[in-house]
Amino acid sequence: AQKVTQAQTEISVVEKEDVTLDCVYETRDTTYYLFWYKQPPSGELVFLIRRNSFDEQNEISGRYSWNFQKSTSSFNFTITASQVVDSAVYFCALSEARDYSGAGSYQLTFGKGTKLSVIP
Amino acid sequence: DGGITQSPKYLFRKEGQNVTLSCEQNLNHDAMYWYRQDPGQGLRLIYYSQIVNDFQKGDIAEGYSVSREKKESFPLTVTSAQKNPTAFYLCASSPPGHIAKNIQYFGAGTRLSVL
Repeated sequence: AQKVTQAQTEISVVEKEDVTLDCVYETRDTTYYLFWYKQPPSGELVFLIRRNSFDEQNEISGRYSWNFQKSTSSFNFTITASQVVDSAVYFCALSEARDYSGAGSYQLTFGKGTKLSVIP
Repeated sequence: DGGITQSPKYLFRKEGQNVTLSCEQNLNHDAMYWYRQDPGQGLRLIYYSQIVNDFQKGDIAEGYSVSREKKESFPLTVTSAQKNPTAFYLCASSPPGHIAKNIQYFGAGTRLSVL
């Protein structure tokens, strides 16, 4: 079964520091999709990025960057020069391209999240 | 503006009562989902629907029921059989295409508590 592990439960950093959120996944499929979502205190999950298993290029979007390494089954997220507005819970998620359950289910499996607090 | 609307924002349930959480989307998405989030936990899938008049159980469907009579609407009923309903409930939808790779877009959630 697919599994996502976010070992860091909570992280606190001082504003302007860089911070990396770790995500390790398990899957039996060769084709799969990885996602990062942000959940601010308001509660709504906000989509940040999607990566498919065939694209190992790292991606940068402003202060955000993602490092995808299939060899270590990791998809880590780095925030550069953190800001107070980055304070949120961040979720990593995985979906497999094939339906192993046989029920037409393509589940998005979430990690338990990492709570990031950026202190001014 | 296009989006997903969940209501109410807060809901209280009495013992033995069924309550219904509303989820409406105007994004013209085919698939809709219900998740449950408990403190310190990730999201767990309750039910999802890929098309009108069809829905599938997720990992924790017991004590919940859904309907999908309209493309825009996917209400979730928390029945009295759900013994521990206190949680944050999130509704999501995704556009047509291969469901595994589709980005899911979320509503603002409903916080359900037991009186």
